[in-house]
Amino acid sequence: DGGITQSPKYLFRKEGQNVTLSCEQNLNHDAMYWYRQDPGQGLRLIYYSQIVNDFQKGDIAEGYSVSREKKESFPLTVTSAQKNPTAFYLCASTGGRLQFFGPGTRLTVL
Amino acid sequence: GENVEQHPSTLSVQEGDSAVIKCTYSDSASNYFPWYKQELGKRPQLIIDIRSNVGEKKDQRIAVTLNKTAKHFSLHITETQPEDSAVYFCAASIPPDSWGKLQFGAGTQVVVTP
Repeated sequence: DGGITQSPKYLFRKEGQNVTLSCEQNLNHDAMYWYRQDPGQGLRLIYYSQIVNDFQKGDIAEGYSVSREKKESFPLTVTSAQKNPTAFYLCASTGGRLQFFGPGTRLTVL
Repeated sequence: GENVEQHPSTLSVQEGDSAVIKCTYSDSASNYFPWYKQELGKRPQLIIDIRSNVGEKKDQRIAVTLNKTAKHFSLHITETQPEDSAVYFCAASIPPDSWGKLQFGAGTQVVVTP
């Protein structure tokens, strides 16, 4: 999982702002995922992508958007439509059946 | 869709004792069940996994068992140590997706006291 990087580590957003979280992997994995984690809760799937230029909504896609223009990159934009975005965001990629996670981005709304 | 329930939500054990975490899943077509360990503020780390054609798998002090008929699987940690303190998540593959999409349980906070 050292081949998945996320930036920034901490991010602060003002009300009404869009922010973009970066996720990059050098593992040559086809599938990539974005999860949201709230305190004391499990991982909830926001979006996933199985191949370049294609992505699917997960369980909580409202207020988020993604793109997959390159195999190694899967950025997540948290839009102003997401009313409660403060959370820990985890990116993951899958090789075979094994899913590995990036180090996460902690987003806080000011 | 797939639903995964995990119990207990918190587990306190004395160092050296065993810890058991149980998960149930709803879709009988699920065929892959990983377990992750997450330390505070860190990423989840895969610690062990099991496929549906196997009933049990062991790796040093940790083991996982799978009962396909009952649709439940469990994580067993023996001879617990303080460094085992963390949140543990179970997960099940979401059929018919073969690309690794997982449904996670809510997590178990394990506290090992010396």
